Amino acid sequence: GDSVTQMEGPVTLSEEAFLTINCTYTATGYPSLFWYVQYPGEGLQLLLKATKADDKGSNKGFEATYRKETTSFHLEKGSVQVSDSAVYFCALSVRGNDMRFGAGTRLTVKP
Amino acid sequence: EAGVAQSPRYKIIEKRQSVAFWCNPISGHATLYWYQQILGQGPKLLIQFQNNGVVDDSQLPKDRFSAERLKGVDSTLKIQPAKLEDSAVYLCASSLEGRGPYEQYFGPGTRLTVT
Repeated sequence: GDSVTQMEGPVTLSEEAFLTINCTYTATGYPSLFWYVQYPGEGLQLLLKATKADDKGSNKGFEATYRKETTSFHLEKGSVQVSDSAVYFCALSVRGNDMRFGAGTRLTVKP
Repeated sequence: EAGVAQSPRYKIIEKRQSVAFWCNPISGHATLYWYQQILGQGPKLLIQFQNNGVVDDSQLPKDRFSAERLKGVDSTLKIQPAKLEDSAVYLCASSLEGRGPYEQYFGPGTRLTVT
């Protein structure tokens, strides 16, 4: 079935470090890909998305490129801040309303 | 614009007891989802409503879980009787009806502990 696999955490970085969280997917159709973020005590929020191959989603300094050839959608940020500490979920949707989430990666950024 | 509201935020019950969760989606959102998020895992879809009709409940344990969405707005999710493995965060989300991909807006969740 359709699924995503993301790197296990937790990930701990110092402020201003470069971040990469890996995500790969398996899908029978042509999925849209998403990154959601969950800050402590809050609900999931959409961080960015890409709907077709080679699209780049970006928001708040985060970027991810839809790579069909490697079935990947890795999340990157050039310089993380303490406020980026959260749990990040990669997700896919084939039909538009069938979201499948990865297990989540907890990021802690230390000052 | 008000977000997705859920209550209660926390609930502790003993196994074999019953519990109900309530969700109020964003106004105008036709589609409503209930997810179960077990600690250390990503959310898993339990049931999806389009207005007041069920679109997908294939992963809902129907022997103990039930959900309804009367009048196509608020929704309740019930567990009866609860088991220890039902301890999780129950998330409600909503989205606009229309062409995909649909962005889902999530509530803060209800954390259920079954002892």
